[in-house]
Amino acid sequence: NAGVMQNPRHLVRRRGQEARLRCSPMKGHSHVYWYRQLPEEGLKFMVYLQKENIIDESGMPKERFSAEFPKEGPSILRIQQVVRGDSAAYFCASSPYSRAGLYNEQFFGPGTRLTVL
Amino acid sequence: QKEVEQDPGPLSVPEGAIVSLNCTYSNSAFQYFMWYRQYSRKGPELLMYTYSSGNKEDGRFTAQVDKSSKYISLFIRDSQPSDSATYLCAMGGAGGTSYGKLTFGQGTILTVHP
Repeated sequence: NAGVMQNPRHLVRRRGQEARLRCSPMKGHSHVYWYRQLPEEGLKFMVYLQKENIIDESGMPKERFSAEFPKEGPSILRIQQVVRGDSAAYFCASSPYSRAGLYNEQFFGPGTRLTVL
Repeated sequence: QKEVEQDPGPLSVPEGAIVSLNCTYSNSAFQYFMWYRQYSRKGPELLMYTYSSGNKEDGRFTAQVDKSSKYISLFIRDSQPSDSATYLCAMGGAGGTSYGKLTFGQGTILTVHP
């Protein structure tokens, strides 16, 4: 059973370009979470999605960032007009379910390291 | 004030030592508590999770939660060089639409030298 897959593993963009990060959850998982890890910091929650629904986007910057998880295909985190401060490792996690009050183990992918020149 | 505080270290210990890693938190709504291990340039992997106050043991690892003090710990016995990694505490289940969200500490860098 393949784990969470993310691609690309490394992405270099110039300021002002767009970055698209992809995440394929583990087989059978319909819940996806995106986290950002800045240098020497812990992971910060960005967004939680189910298929075709955004459940919690409280950690997403208000501008330039968007996420989707379509019925078919991977989840996409899109960053428009990137700036140097967007340079970070972006991790995706998936879980088979998520219910209020119940523990839901989140399995993490290897991350995409975004460098903005 | 951060919701979760973790001493970033770094922590350097000799092989065989007992390691203690700690986090404090401010949000009493957190319902479950986890420790993740992250090797350099890899994704986090779950070590242990627990719901309630008390101790939970798994091999050389013991997780301890004290909800009254809002304090969690991870103990590693007989530490090995292969334990060298960054250890992240994480908390979740805060309710509302935040039930899926994990809140992480900053991470403690641990080095176990032979």
